[in-house]
Amino acid sequence: GAGVSQSPRYKVAKRGQDVALRCDPISGHVSLFWYQQALGQGPEFLTYFQNEAQLDKSGLPSDRFFAERPEGSVSTLKIQRTQQEDSAVYLCASSTVRVPQPQHFGDGTRLSIL
Amino acid sequence: AQSVTQLDSQVPVFEEAPVELRCNYSSSVSVYLFWYVQYPNQGLQLLLKYLSGSTLVESINGFEAEFNKSQTSFHLRKPSVHISDTAEYFCAVSAVMKTSYDKVIFGPGTSLSVIP
Repeated sequence: GAGVSQSPRYKVAKRGQDVALRCDPISGHVSLFWYQQALGQGPEFLTYFQNEAQLDKSGLPSDRFFAERPEGSVSTLKIQRTQQEDSAVYLCASSTVRVPQPQHFGDGTRLSIL
Repeated sequence: AQSVTQLDSQVPVFEEAPVELRCNYSSSVSVYLFWYVQYPNQGLQLLLKYLSGSTLVESINGFEAEFNKSQTSFHLRKPSVHISDTAEYFCAVSAVMKTSYDKVIFGPGTSLSVIP
């Protein structure tokens, strides 16, 4: 596709449930980033992939958060045993390997934990 | 570690007036600097970036930002704003690395409201 695609756009889950958020980056982009954006705040870095390798996961807030990109294209962010503080917009971004920053963002998945 | 400060959380300005959105950063190493814009219910869009070279960088829609190393600032300016510029603006920083990557740190954002 022309841009970064994220699904679902909105997700409501009960506390304790597991959720999976999907990101389809721009075709050919080797770098992929996940960010968490709380209401009224700037995005907070979660994790970074270069192709299928997860080079940085220092921003993942707990071991309940897990991300993968097994074939170097589509990525999934999984949150286990969700808690209310996980409510946020989760943004995915991609870029070409030569660009050191997230270049193209998706519209995000708004996650609400009840 | 790097950090970003955006002192103004909200900036109201009349249409066709000039605007400046302030950004200051903290870093012990050389940095790359960015401005992103976010329209309601959308992801961020890269507005402009400073990687090296000229300290004045421009975007295609009339915004410009100047890297000032001595003042550790990267303020965003536009001489005449339009209604369509109403959005959230984020300043961001990353360290200059000899390898390909360092994570980008975002500021808290400034909400620009253009008044007709």
